[in-house]
Amino acid sequence: KQEVTQIPAALSVPEGENLVLNCSFTDSAIYNLQWFRQDPGKGLTSLLLIQSSQREQTSGRLNASLDKSSGRSTLYIAASQPGDSATYLCAAQDDKIIFGKGTRLHILP
Amino acid sequence: EAQVTQNPRYLITVTGKKLTVTCSQNMNHEYMSWYRQDPGLGLRQIYYSMNVEVTDKGDVPEGYKVSRKEKRNFPLILESPSPNQTSLYFCASSPLAGGNGYTFGSGTRLTVV
Repeated sequence: KQEVTQIPAALSVPEGENLVLNCSFTDSAIYNLQWFRQDPGKGLTSLLLIQSSQREQTSGRLNASLDKSSGRSTLYIAASQPGDSATYLCAAQDDKIIFGKGTRLHILP
Repeated sequence: EAQVTQNPRYLITVTGKKLTVTCSQNMNHEYMSWYRQDPGLGLRQIYYSMNVEVTDKGDVPEGYKVSRKEKRNFPLILESPSPNQTSLYFCASSPLAGGNGYTFGSGTRLTVV
């Protein structure tokens, strides 16, 4: 059974720093890996989708990588801003989509 | 605009009073799914549907029903709500079960008293 783990559970960093969020999954037979952002009490906004045949995807200051063989994905955020404060969720998709519990990110002004 | 629309956004109800949360998508997606999100437990799948008239249980289906009579709609039905169903609910859709990522609705915050 697929399990998805996100480390750390919470992170506070000063504005302007580059940071990395980690996601690991136990079953490498996935179709894709998706990163979402969730603001408190709100819905999930898709940030990046990496297909199983891809190694990384980029959107603006965000870069997500995927290493299926090691069961890992990372989300890199460059030059963090207070508006980046949110919970970031990764989700591995095989026949179902399994979510990690998220990393709560707080960017200090 | 391509989207998944849930209604209502907020709902307070009493134990045992049947309710329906609607979900509609305008992207002609085949796959739709319901999740609940609870503190410390993350997102858990309730039910999903691969296509019209095809539904299946997720990880936490007890106390819920769904139907998929049309491709665009996937309502979540609570026949006899209980306080342990107080949660934040999300509907999601995807072009294919194995495919191209998910689009989520804005969520429904349900409180059962």
